[in-house]
Amino acid sequence: EDQVTQSPEALRLQEGESSSLNCSYTVSGLRGLFWYRQDPGKGPEFLFTLYSAGEEKEKERLKATLTKKESFLHITAPKPEDSATYLCAVEDGNAGNMLTFGGGTRLMVKP
Amino acid sequence: GAVVSQHPSWVICKSGTSVKIECRSLDFQATTMFWYRQFPKQSLMLMATSNEGSKATYEQGVEKDKFLINHASLTLSTLTVTSAHPEDSSFYICSAPSLGQGRTLHFGNGTRLTVT
Repeated sequence: EDQVTQSPEALRLQEGESSSLNCSYTVSGLRGLFWYRQDPGKGPEFLFTLYSAGEEKEKERLKATLTKKESFLHITAPKPEDSATYLCAVEDGNAGNMLTFGGGTRLMVKP
Repeated sequence: GAVVSQHPSWVICKSGTSVKIECRSLDFQATTMFWYRQFPKQSLMLMATSNEGSKATYEQGVEKDKFLINHASLTLSTLTVTSAHPEDSSFYICSAPSLGQGRTLHFGNGTRLTVT
C-alpha cells in the first residue's frame, strides 16, 4: 500500500526565515511526485511534478527536490503570502496512476 | 494553463434532499476525472474515479448508490449526493489530468456542502 507522510504537520516561520518541508513516501512504482499549495476553502494549486531521484525544480521562493525515499520543499525567505497548506502526493504507475496524498503541512509566515 | 471549474462553490441543503456538483475541464478534454472529499484540517481522500463512457470506479468504503457519478462528456463529470445527511457535510473537490508539459492533475476550487 502506498504511503505518504508529511512533516511537520504545522510550521510557523518569521518572514524571511527559510525552512524545509518533508514528504516521505513508499510506493511500488513511482510515476511522479507532486507538490500542491492549498489555501483555505480552495482546491489545491499545482506547484511541481518531480519524476526521478535527483531532480530539482524551482518557482520563485520554492524549490522542490526528490530522492528515492523523500522529497523536500525548500522555502527561501518566505513572505506572509506564502502561508498555506502544502500537500505532497505520489502517483503510482502500478495502481492505475492513482494519486495518494500526504496529510499536508500548514505553513504560517508571520510578518 | 489548464483550468478545472467546479460548481457550485458552496451549497446548503436539508436532510433527505439530493445535491449535484459539476466539474468541468475548460480548455482540455478529460476521459478521467477524480472526486475527492476533504474534512477540516485533513488531506484529500479519493472517493471515486469518473470514466467517460463507462461506470465510475469507487474506492473502498464509498457507497456508490449514495454518491452517483456521471461522466457525461469529455469535459463534464457530475457528483450527486443522494438523500444527503449531516454526516455528508464536507468539502468535495474534483480534479482532471491534463497532458501538457508532463501529466498534471488540476483541481477545481471545491464545493462546500452543508446538510442541515
